[in-house]
This record gives sequence, C-alpha cells and structure tokens, in this order.
Amino acid sequence: DTAVSQTPKYLVTQMGNDKSIKCEQNLGHDTMYWYKQDSKKFLKIMFSYNNKELIINETVPNRFSPKSPDKAHLNLHINSLELGDSAVYFCASSQIGGGYNEQFFGPGTRLTVL
Amino acid sequence: QQQVKQSPQSLIVQKGGISIINCAYENTAFDYFPWYQQFPGKGPALLIAIRPDVSEKKEGRFTISFNKSAKQFSLHIMDSQPGDSATYFCAARTNTGNQFYFGTGTSLTVIP
Repeated sequence: DTAVSQTPKYLVTQMGNDKSIKCEQNLGHDTMYWYKQDSKKFLKIMFSYNNKELIINETVPNRFSPKSPDKAHLNLHINSLELGDSAVYFCASSQIGGGYNEQFFGPGTRLTVL
Repeated sequence: QQQVKQSPQSLIVQKGGISIINCAYENTAFDYFPWYQQFPGKGPALLIAIRPDVSEKKEGRFTISFNKSAKQFSLHIMDSQPGDSATYFCAARTNTGNQFYFGTGTSLTVIP
C-alpha cells in the first residue's frame, strides 16, 4: 500500500489554464504539506495543514489554493498557470507530537507549463 | 533567508570512500534534524535523523555527527557505493513540530 499518493504523476498544460493535484495519505497522520521542488532541486514549503486547518502559508501567489476535505487528503489547485510554475510538486505528511517525527513524501507531480 | 545551509552542492567520491555532507543552522528552536535521500524521479525518503541531545547517531554505513554549540551537523557515508548516488537533503524541524526547513541539497555521485 502506498503511504502517500499523488495524482497525476505528470501534468502538461498551457499557460493560463487551471489545474489540480490530488494527495492522499493512509498513515493516519494529522499534518499534510505541499512542497515545490524547482529545477535546482531546492525544496520549498508552500502550505501545511493540521487536522484540516491551514497552519503554514508561505509566500506563495494566491493563484495557489490548497483544500483539505479531510485529514487524509490535501489537494492543490492552481489558477492561471504561468511558465514559472513548472516544477515538481511533492505532498508529504507527518504526525505532530507523540514521538512521531518522520515526514513521508509522495512520489511527486511533475508540472510542465507550456 | 535560508534557514538551513548545506554544502557542498555536489560531491564525487570513489567507491569505498567516505562521503561527507555538512549543514548549519541558526534557529535554536529546531529540535529534530533528519537527512533525506532522493533518487531521480522519486520523493525524498528519510535516511537517518538525530535529536540535539546526542552528538552522534549511526545506522549501518550512515552516521550523523551533531555539534549543538556550533549549530552544525553532518552526514558521513562510509564505504560509499554507486547505489548511494542520489541527492541528499538535511533538514531541521521546529519544536512546535509543524514545519521542516530543508537544505539546498547535495548531489552525490559515487564512481565505481
């Protein structure tokens, strides 16, 4: 069973389009994250949700909107896509407190904006 | 501002050699320091982690050395193998537990 899954794995789209990336974790974790990894492999936190509530919202254009329908899901919707949005987006989850520290990452979604 | 500074950016090591990657931080609110390994096309995966109350942790060929006073920690890979070729990230977690800060990554190549 995949601990953290993302769909789609690849996403190719035109500038100006709106797209969504879905993430699901089956680990029972209470916190989920979205990261952006650019072409230089730098991992940057975008958002974090704890028990469906937004707790981290780094400086990200408001074209990016996360949605957490329940603890196991954190989706990322991107409006009006731009060339600079091309990157690999990773979802991750962890459990805050209780001695559990590891952050589990999904396989990533490679977004290419043409 | 980069919360965790990592060096070198890339590293080439002969098979059987020792690979050393260094990280430094300033924020004393960090309480957990993991290292992640990432292969091409995959997500980062936890390799080994340490808490600041110990100075060293070893798991197989992988060792973290931690210097709390200097706010530095490093990953040592003994007997490096071609299969170790990957990108390595150090990270630090805030003591509230809800945010991880990653280093800029080190691309390791182990040549046979």
